[in-house]
Amino acid sequence: EAGVTQSPTHLIKTRGQQATLRCSPISGHTSVYWYQQALGLGLQFLLWYDEGEERNRGNFPPRFSGRQFPNYSSELNVNALELEDSALYLCASSLRGRGLNTEAFFGQGTRLTVV
Amino acid sequence: GENVEQHPSTLSVQEGDSAVIKCTYSDSASNYFPWYKQELGKGPQLIIDIRSNVGEKKDQRIAVTLNKTAKHFSLHITETQPEDSAVYFCAETSGGSYIPTFGRGTSLIVHP
Repeated sequence: EAGVTQSPTHLIKTRGQQATLRCSPISGHTSVYWYQQALGLGLQFLLWYDEGEERNRGNFPPRFSGRQFPNYSSELNVNALELEDSALYLCASSLRGRGLNTEAFFGQGTRLTVV
Repeated sequence: GENVEQHPSTLSVQEGDSAVIKCTYSDSASNYFPWYKQELGKGPQLIIDIRSNVGEKKDQRIAVTLNKTAKHFSLHITETQPEDSAVYFCAETSGGSYIPTFGRGTSLIVHP
């Protein structure tokens, strides 16, 4: 069974541009989480999608946005890129257990570099 | 979850020694506590987890303990090997949020 897949693995953008990152969850998983991992820092929660809806977002500006498609894959968009957006962006998927939290599995991440 | 504190930030041990990483949390509704291992250039990998109705869980050389009263949980690795070297993250999820909240990570270095 395929795990969580993210594309691209590396992305280099210029300040002010837009970046689009993609994530395919494990088959059968309806929840997708996006995290930012800046160098030397932990995992900062960005966005949570479940069954096509944005359920929650972390403390990030509105230029970080995304969506979840009917097949539960997801896209993260970062507009007006800034140098400090350079980080590893991780996607995780899980089953939403209706009150019972279940394991979240991560992809390998997209390394975004803003120059 | 609200806040997770993880200690130490760096842990250096000799091969064969034990390693212990500790986390504390503040949300009394937290009910699920996974641990992840992240190797260089890779995404975090789930290595063990524990739920709030269990006090201890073991899987070969790895064990996790949970003290709900004190709101802390720990990862124990016995007979460490060089391939255990990685960054380890604790996390917690409460029944109300579904969003894993992570500690800042512990860089474990196992010297051969």
